[in-house]
Amino acid sequence: EVQLVESGGGLVQPGGSLRLSCAASGFTFSSYLMHWVRQVPGNGLLWVSRINSDGSSTAYADSVKGRFTISRDNAENTLYLQMNSLRVEDTAVYYCAKVGATLDVWGKGTAVIVSS
Amino acid sequence: DIVMTQSPDSLAVSLGERATINCKSSQSVLYRSNNKNYLAWYQQKPGQPPKLLIYWASTRESGVPDRFSGSGSGTDFTLTISSLQAEDVAVYYCQQYQTTPLTFGGGTTVEIK
Repeated sequence: EVQLVESGGGLVQPGGSLRLSCAASGFTFSSYLMHWVRQVPGNGLLWVSRINSDGSSTAYADSVKGRFTISRDNAENTLYLQMNSLRVEDTAVYYCAKVGATLDVWGKGTAVIVSS
Repeated sequence: DIVMTQSPDSLAVSLGERATINCKSSQSVLYRSNNKNYLAWYQQKPGQPPKLLIYWASTRESGVPDRFSGSGSGTDFTLTISSLQAEDVAVYYCQQYQTTPLTFGGGTTVEIK
């Protein structure tokens, strides 16, 4: 079964850091582009970042550029999102997603709360 | 960035009736070199992640019931639920994946009348 499991979310103060992880199983992780998407509960979906299959190419939403870093460890089948200089407006559920034609498999998400 | 605009924001449909959701992109998501529309539809139920229903504007994801269909090209797209079932109550999102940043519509809430 294809599965993505996020972890690493939690409560952090403004200006703090968190590293999210996304453990992949059931497919050849190293062959697929991966994305992070976030959602404020009750609100819509906002794309955050993507990384290509070997990690050589990344892209970010303007709102997180310079603060967030996406990476992957294909040997460990794990996707990461390093989040620095966190702001209150980064509060959301963060999903990782695998790309087929588009985002065809999503994890259940991990909640990030930025608050003092 | 490509802006995706959905309508209506919400709709209430009787069981067994048709539900229609519209999505408009601020620029064409048709890639002429392969004649494919880079447009997807997702369903999201409370407490769950989004689930891919339709990609390439009209291709149903494996396991998705055939009452769900997608149509349209260029900048105007439609998701149709031909005969609404109770389990279809959810928020539906369109998304373009032609260019980064990927962008989503604001969502349409489908309820039972």
